[in-house]
Amino acid sequence: DTQMTQSPSSLSASIGDRVTITCRASRDISNYLAWYQQKPGKVPKLLIYSASTLQSGVPSRFSGSGSWTDFTLTISSLQPEDVATYYCQKYDTAPYTFGQGTKLEIK
Amino acid sequence: QEQLVQSGGGVVEPGRSLRVSCVASGFNLRNFDMHWVRQAPGEGLEWVAVISYDGYNKYYTESVQGRFTISRDNSRNTLYLQMNDLRPEDTAVYYCAKIKNEWLRLLDSWGQGSVVTVPS
Repeated sequence: DTQMTQSPSSLSASIGDRVTITCRASRDISNYLAWYQQKPGKVPKLLIYSASTLQSGVPSRFSGSGSWTDFTLTISSLQPEDVATYYCQKYDTAPYTFGQGTKLEIK
Repeated sequence: QEQLVQSGGGVVEPGRSLRVSCVASGFNLRNFDMHWVRQAPGEGLEWVAVISYDGYNKYYTESVQGRFTISRDNSRNTLYLQMNDLRPEDTAVYYCAKIKNEWLRLLDSWGQGSVVTVPS
């Protein structure tokens, strides 16, 4: 099975900072990669799919890039409401594995 | 407005069974593959199972294979997860989720979650 590894596991950044989270697949998944945001006590929310396509309604400060095995989620200017845990997920074939998550906090 | 409303969580003794349900509204369930995802307390998201739109194809994560069964009743717009031989490590919030469409099989709409507790 393909493993999904995110880094870092947690990070702390200041308001206005550019933040980057990476996700690495153990095998080629083309661009079948989604990013989700989960705020504390809430249901996960889709942010980005096809590695780089922004879901409708998601602020444009979020962006995604990458293909094959290496992917990134970038927040161009961190806002207080971005405090959350972020997950990548592969959706090419079963099992539809998630990364272990990256917890983002405000410094 | 697409909505998934879950029911059926609870506290259950090890080795016993429990079924969680997920009723769809605002869209026709029969057109979409559906998933279950779980989250143990303080942990990350874990994909559990998927069922094709017509119910014919099912896949499970290894740790629940042979114990959990995903099913659907498209006439009732309802998805199910039957959990048998429950173990303490199955304690989690269970979410149902739908795929975006047949070409984009990511999860674009989620239920509110059902808490399942299996005491040790």
